[in-house]
Amino acid sequence: DAGITQSPRHKVTETGTPVTLRCHQTENHRYMYWYRQDPGHGLRLIHYSYGVKDTDKGEVSDGYSVSRSKTEDFLLTLESATSSQTSVYFCAISRPDRAYEQYFGPGTRLTVT
Amino acid sequence: AQSVTQPDIHITVSEGASLELRCNYSYGATPYLFWYVQSPGQGLQLLLKYFSGDTLVQGIKGFEAEFKRSQSSFNLRKPSVHWSDAAEYFCAVGFSGNTPLVFGKGTRLSVIA
Repeated sequence: DAGITQSPRHKVTETGTPVTLRCHQTENHRYMYWYRQDPGHGLRLIHYSYGVKDTDKGEVSDGYSVSRSKTEDFLLTLESATSSQTSVYFCAISRPDRAYEQYFGPGTRLTVT
Repeated sequence: AQSVTQPDIHITVSEGASLELRCNYSYGATPYLFWYVQSPGQGLQLLLKYFSGDTLVQGIKGFEAEFKRSQSSFNLRKPSVHWSDAAEYFCAVGFSGNTPLVFGKGTRLSVIA
């Protein structure tokens, strides 16, 4: 258990509304990641962060933005939610002290209607 | 581009039978290799990893995996499957340090009596 929490755990929202998902970690890890999971696609990287205010895009970053103003929090924002963003979103941290194992949060199930 | 292939979408095995889940990757050098398991409605749990040394690695829950450089493979095995092993299994590859993982699309394992 790497002390990762995600909020909310479930959310239903309407098309066109902004949504922010929060990932919080308690162990001061530098690297954090946002993935989405869809049937038949596995997990795909949305954005990641290698420190406060340092972020980069992943494979499926269109329509998403992130912010990291504190080490412990990594926020994912859907600027204007679309039905194609209905998914399960996972946050992860990387542990360099354990050969870069990634540990995942419990996930947020987002439904865009 | 780097990629991970899990050729089997769904496998069904009888309880007590042996199991092998396949994973192949595409990359020029030796990557960090991981297997994760996801039970329905749950997050991802790390089963085992390889980054150097002995090519046969042991993990939790009685699983093991063997890295074969010549075949670019990292197959997961278990000698005797239990009903509680029914889940989805993901192979993942990291190409250096804290770079984000690239996941395969997953293999769903069903266990029958």
